[in-house]
Amino acid sequence: AQTVTQSQPEMSVQEAETVTLSCTYDTSESDYYLFWYKQPPSRQMILVIRQEAYKQQNATENRFSVNFQKAAKSFSLKISDSQLGDAAMYFCAYRSAKSSGDKLTFGTGTRLAVRP
Amino acid sequence: DTAVSQTPKYLVTQMGNDKSIKCEQNLGHDTMYWYKQDSKKFLKIMFSYNNKELIINETVPNRFSPKSPDKAHLNLHINSLELGDSAVYFCASSQARTWGAGETQYFGPGTRLLVL
Repeated sequence: AQTVTQSQPEMSVQEAETVTLSCTYDTSESDYYLFWYKQPPSRQMILVIRQEAYKQQNATENRFSVNFQKAAKSFSLKISDSQLGDAAMYFCAYRSAKSSGDKLTFGTGTRLAVRP
Repeated sequence: DTAVSQTPKYLVTQMGNDKSIKCEQNLGHDTMYWYKQDSKKFLKIMFSYNNKELIINETVPNRFSPKSPDKAHLNLHINSLELGDSAVYFCASSQARTWGAGETQYFGPGTRLLVL
């Protein structure tokens, strides 16, 4: 079974600075997808970014980018120019590419605080 | 315009009662899910349906019964509620154009269930 580990329960960043959230996963599969979701106090789960394992290029979405290291099974999220609205819980998630792997397996989350 | 909606958003009930949570998506997706988020914010899959067919049943007590009347709706009925059922329940949907395609899952706003 796949597992996802987020070793930082809490992180803090100064507004306008850069922060990196860590995620590692364990799988024996070669094809899969990785996601970062954001959950603000409103509770809504919002997709931040996704990465296909077969792609070597790291995904980017505006101020958000990932460092995907397939051999190391690492998938960190970098937030540049942090804004107050970035304060939220961030969840890393894994999804198999196999037919039986339709579910998302989540990490335990990292709570990000942004200091003004 | 809401893509994935859930009702109710809050549900407070007594132990032993039976309750239902409804979910609807207007994205035209053919796969829907129920996730449970516990008090420590951990998210875990409960069920998934593809075109009204149960695909995943992740060792959930049989007091929980999902029902999908059509591919746009996935309801969750819970019998004999217990204190440990208190959690936030999220509905999600995705379009798996080819099985295991890793399409992004879009989440509803969540239903906070409190069992007293």
